Amino acid sequence: QKEVEQDPGPLSVPEGAIVSLNCTYSNSAFQYFMWYRQYSRKGPELLMYTYSSGNKEDGRFTAQVDKSSKYISLFIRDSQPSDSATYLCAMSADSSNTGKLIFGQGTTLQVKP
Amino acid sequence: ETGVTQSPTHLIKTRGQQVTLRCSSQSGHNTVSWYQQALGQGPQFIFQYYREEENGRGNFPPRFSGLQFPNYSSELNVNALELDDSALYLCASSVDPGQSNTEAFFGQGTRLTVV
Repeated sequence: QKEVEQDPGPLSVPEGAIVSLNCTYSNSAFQYFMWYRQYSRKGPELLMYTYSSGNKEDGRFTAQVDKSSKYISLFIRDSQPSDSATYLCAMSADSSNTGKLIFGQGTTLQVKP
Repeated sequence: ETGVTQSPTHLIKTRGQQVTLRCSSQSGHNTVSWYQQALGQGPQFIFQYYREEENGRGNFPPRFSGLQFPNYSSELNVNALELDDSALYLCASSVDPGQSNTEAFFGQGTRLTVV
C-alpha cells in the first residue's frame, strides 16, 4: 500500500464548475500537507500548504486537512480552462514543508470551455 | 518561472551507461532536493543536499549519487543505467531545512530516456 493515495482521474468538468480533489494517507507522522499544480512539460508549482489540520483559503482555492480521517482535499471554485493541469498532493513528516516530500500519483484535470 | 534551472532538458542514454544531470538553485537557496517522476506517477524523493552534505535519502540504490557545490548548485549521477530509470528528473531548491513557512521551487526537469 502506498503512503499517499490519489485518484489519477482524468477528471473533466465544464468551465465554472466546483472541482474537488482528494488524497488519503496512511502515515500519521505527516504534519505538512501541500497541493502542487503541474502543467505539461513543466515542474510542479506550489499552490497551497497547510500545517496540521484545518482549512486554508486562497482566492478560488481551498485546502482542507482532516488528520483524524487521514484525508485531505483541494477545492477549486469557478474553474477555468487555465486550471487544466495535473494536481499533486504532497506530504511531509519533517519539521518543514521543504524536506522529504511524499507525493500522490496526481489527478489530471481538464476544464472545458 | 522559478529561478531553478536544470540541464540538459532532454537526453537519451543506452542501458549500462552513466549520466550526470545538473541543477542551479535559486538565488539565496542553500538546499537542493532531487526527485524522479516516472510517466503518470508523482515525484519520488531521491535525496537532499544541504550546504554540500547529503541530508536525507529516499529508497534509491547507491548507483544514484549526488554532489552539491559551494555555490549550492548540484549534480545527480546515475551509474549503470537501467530501462526503468527513464523518467523526468526534478530538482527543487529551498532555504535551510527546518525553516517553516517556506517553499521548495522546482525546475522544469530533465527528461531521461534509457534505451
